[in-house]
Amino acid sequence: DAGVIQSPRHEVTEMGQEVTLRCKPISGHNSLFWYRQTMMRGLELLIYFNNNVPIDDSGMPEDRFSAKMPKASFSTLKIQPSEPRDSAVYFCASSLWSGDGYTFGSGTRLTVV
Amino acid sequence: TQLLEQSPQFLSIQEGENLTVYCNSSSVFSSLQWYRQEPGEGPVLLVTVVTGGEVKKLKRLTFQFGDARKDSSLHITAAQPGDTGLYLCAGGGGSNYKLTFGKGTLLTVNP
Repeated sequence: DAGVIQSPRHEVTEMGQEVTLRCKPISGHNSLFWYRQTMMRGLELLIYFNNNVPIDDSGMPEDRFSAKMPKASFSTLKIQPSEPRDSAVYFCASSLWSGDGYTFGSGTRLTVV
Repeated sequence: TQLLEQSPQFLSIQEGENLTVYCNSSSVFSSLQWYRQEPGEGPVLLVTVVTGGEVKKLKRLTFQFGDARKDSSLHITAAQPGDTGLYLCAGGGGSNYKLTFGKGTLLTVNP
C-alpha cells in the first residue's frame, strides 16, 4: 500500500483565495482525520470521519473551513477565504476504528501571504 | 478537554547517551501512543500501550504506561543520530477513538 497520500505537498496562495487540500486514505481504513500542526499549538484535530460520515468537527476553527468525504477513498479540506493565520502544515491520517494507530500522510505545507 | 504535557520540550545529547522523555496528564486515557516525526514528514506510530503499568520494548526504546493511565515515559538507551526527531505522545479515550496529541519533545542526537 502506498500509505496515506496528500496533495499538494506545498501550497502558497494569496490572502482571500480558496485553498483545497486533498487526501487519499489507506484502502480499508474506515476513519479519517484532518490535523493542523504549528509550532505554537502543536497538532490540532480539525475534523474526523467514520465510514465517510463527519463525527466531530468541533476543531474546525471557523466557517471558512469545510471538509468533505464523498467516498471512502477521498477527502478534501477547503479554506475559503484563506488568511495568513491559516499558514501551517495540514495532515491527513487514517485508521481502523478498532483502535489501531493512525497512519499519517506527509502533509501539505500551506503558506498564505 | 484532555491535555497532554510533554517534557522536556527540547533535548540535545551526544551519541551513546541515554535519555528519558515524559508525557503527563491529569486525565485518564484508555490507551496511549508514541509517534516519531522527522522533518517534512508525518508522525509515524512507534507503539501503543493500553494497560496501566505496561512496559513495551522496541529495540533500544522502552515505553511505560503509568499505573493510573495518566502518564507515560519513553526511554532510549545508547541514542544514535538516527533517533533524531520529534517524539509525540497521544492519548485516546472512550469509544470514539479521537486522539489528543502532546506538543512533543524535539530530540537531537549529535554524532
